[in-house]
Amino acid sequence: EAGVTQFPSHSVIEKGQTVTLRCDPISGHDNLYWYRRVMGKEIKFLLHFVKESKQDESGMPNNRFLAERTGGTYSTLKVQPAELEDSGVYFCASSLIPSGRGRHEQFFGPGTRLTVL
Amino acid sequence: LAKTTQPISMDSYEGQEVNITCSHNNIATNDYITWYQQFPSQGPRFIIQGYKTKVTNEVASLFIPADRKSSTLSLPRVSLSDTAVYYCLVGLSGGSYIPTFGRGTSLIVHP
Repeated sequence: EAGVTQFPSHSVIEKGQTVTLRCDPISGHDNLYWYRRVMGKEIKFLLHFVKESKQDESGMPNNRFLAERTGGTYSTLKVQPAELEDSGVYFCASSLIPSGRGRHEQFFGPGTRLTVL
Repeated sequence: LAKTTQPISMDSYEGQEVNITCSHNNIATNDYITWYQQFPSQGPRFIIQGYKTKVTNEVASLFIPADRKSSTLSLPRVSLSDTAVYYCLVGLSGGSYIPTFGRGTSLIVHP
């Protein structure tokens, strides 16, 4: 069974440009999460989708970030316009059941390393 | 959510047993304790989860004392491939659980 995949693996853009990250969760996983780790910092939660609905987006840093999950399958995270402080690794994770009920194992993708110059 | 404290780094040698302890003094009644492992350039990977006493799977054991204010991840007979960062997470509340990753413990296994 394929795991969580993310595209691209690396992205280097200039400040002010737009970047879109994609995450394909494990098939059948209704729950999808985005996280990011800024250089030297901890992994931080960004938001949680249940199917196509945003369950929790309390971790989104500002309105330059837009996450979508049309159709409840893959998700995209767009950063527009990108700033220097957005550099970091963006992880996507999925789970069969929502974390908070029973075993909350999340399956993480390899991450997208974003560098904003 | 409960805050966790773990050692920043640990060193070990192949074949040894490694125990990583995590403190979570403010753990709530409904909170579970979960450990993740992360290799460089990869996302975190679930290792083990427990609520109380002892849990064992094919990878590790998790020891949780009665007061649940700490937990110990035990890796038996580590190998070089166990070199990774290990995160202790605590929390399981209501509908939306937001995993809080601390700094983790960087384990280096030497030959």
